[in-house]
Amino acid sequence: AQSVTQPDIHITVSEGASLELRCNYSYGATPYLFWYVQSPGQGLQLLLKYFSGDTLVQGIKGFEAEFKRSQSSFNLRKPSVHWSDAAEYFCAVGGNRGSTLGRLYFGRGTQLTVWP
Amino acid sequence: NAGVTQTPKFRVLKTGQSMTLLCAQDMNHEYMYWYRQDPGMGLRLIHYSVGEGTTAKGEVPDGYNVSRLKKQNFLLGLESAAPSQTSVYFCASSYTPVRGMVTEAFFGQGTRLTVV
Repeated sequence: AQSVTQPDIHITVSEGASLELRCNYSYGATPYLFWYVQSPGQGLQLLLKYFSGDTLVQGIKGFEAEFKRSQSSFNLRKPSVHWSDAAEYFCAVGGNRGSTLGRLYFGRGTQLTVWP
Repeated sequence: NAGVTQTPKFRVLKTGQSMTLLCAQDMNHEYMYWYRQDPGMGLRLIHYSVGEGTTAKGEVPDGYNVSRLKKQNFLLGLESAAPSQTSVYFCASSYTPVRGMVTEAFFGQGTRLTVV
C-alpha cells in the first residue's frame, strides 16, 4: 500500500541554520513526489516536485530535495533558513498507475519553528 | 486567475444538520479532490473525481457524499453532521498533461467547519 512517513513531527532551527526535513515513502513503482508548505490558516503551496530524471530537484524559496530510490526517501533541504520559513511541511507521493493514478498520499507533516 | 475557490470559508453546524461545500476551479482540470485536515493526521482523501460525472471514494468517505455535475465544480455534502466531522476541508484539482501522468494538486484556501 502507498504511504508516506515524515518521522519528525516538530523541528526547531535557528535563523540562518541549515534545514533537512525527512520523508520516506512506500510505493510499488517509481513515484511522483512532492513537497508542500502550509502557513497558518492557508492552503497548501507546492514547493517542488519530482517526476523523473535528475534526482536533485530545485524548488521555490531556495528549497531543494533529493530522490534516493535505494532509501525510498525524498528529503527536503535548505542551506539557510529564514524566519518566514516557519510553517508546516508536507511530503506527498502521487500515484502514477492503475487505481492510484491521480491520487496523492500525504505524510502527517512536520512543523518547523524558526528561532531568531 | 482565481485557481481553486472554496465556499464558504467558515461554518458552524449543529449535530444532525446538513450542508454542502462548494469547490470551483477555473483551470479546466480533469481531477478534483476533497481532503480533510486534522491535527497530526496530515491530509486524508475523502472523495475524488477523475472527470465530469464521475466520483470515487478515498480513504475516509463515510458520512460524506459528492457530486461533479460540471467539470469546474465539485460539491461535498454532509447529510447529517457529526462532531467527528469538525475539521478543515480542502479542495484541490490537477490535470493530465500526457496520458498516464497527473500533475501536482492545486489547493483552495480551505473551509473550517465546526460541528457542535
